[in-house]
Amino acid sequence: ETGVTQSPTHLIKTRGQQVTLRCSSQSGHNTVSWYQQALGQGPQFIFQYYREEENGRGNFPPRFSGLQFPNYSSELNVNALELDDSALYLCASSHGQGSETQYFGPGTRLLVL
Amino acid sequence: GQSLEQPSEVTAVEGAIVQINCTYQTSGFYGLSWYQQHDGGAPTFLSYNALDGLEETGRFSSFLSRSDSYGYLLRQELQMKDSASYFCAVLSNDYKLSFGAGTTVTVRA
Repeated sequence: ETGVTQSPTHLIKTRGQQVTLRCSSQSGHNTVSWYQQALGQGPQFIFQYYREEENGRGNFPPRFSGLQFPNYSSELNVNALELDDSALYLCASSHGQGSETQYFGPGTRLLVL
Repeated sequence: GQSLEQPSEVTAVEGAIVQINCTYQTSGFYGLSWYQQHDGGAPTFLSYNALDGLEETGRFSSFLSRSDSYGYLLRQELQMKDSASYFCAVLSNDYKLSFGAGTTVTVRA
């Protein structure tokens, strides 16, 4: 069984740029959720994709967008990067929406200068 | 919206018991989960309570009181490897998992 993988592991961008982060879900899982974790804080829910449709969103502006592909892998896109976007971005996969057990990937650490 | 409160830090000695409390305010509550995260690592699922009462799994237990909007995670026979951050998280009926700010547990020899 393959776990959740994310790429890249680290990324440095400058203000105003755009970034795409990728996530491969655990085999058999059809739901992917994305989280932003600032240093010393808990993960904050960005949105969730279930069977290629967004079915839940947290308090993040529209410049945070995503996609889920037929193989259930997913992308997180952030446009017009701001300094406060510097954080660890985690994706988590699960079987079914609303699952209490989510399996997290190792995350992508984004630094915006 | 959701808000969760948990202590920021707890220190205990090897072999001891540690309890991490979590209170929450939420709409559309489904259940309370607990996750562990080591420095630089991914959060890993520990337990989930949807109904009132105590769930036990090996060295740890988790408790929920829905009427008090309160839960706790109990770790027994602490080991050095238990030093980590522990997060309570509320699952709500809009499929959202909302995390607390986390409790850093430090286990001392």
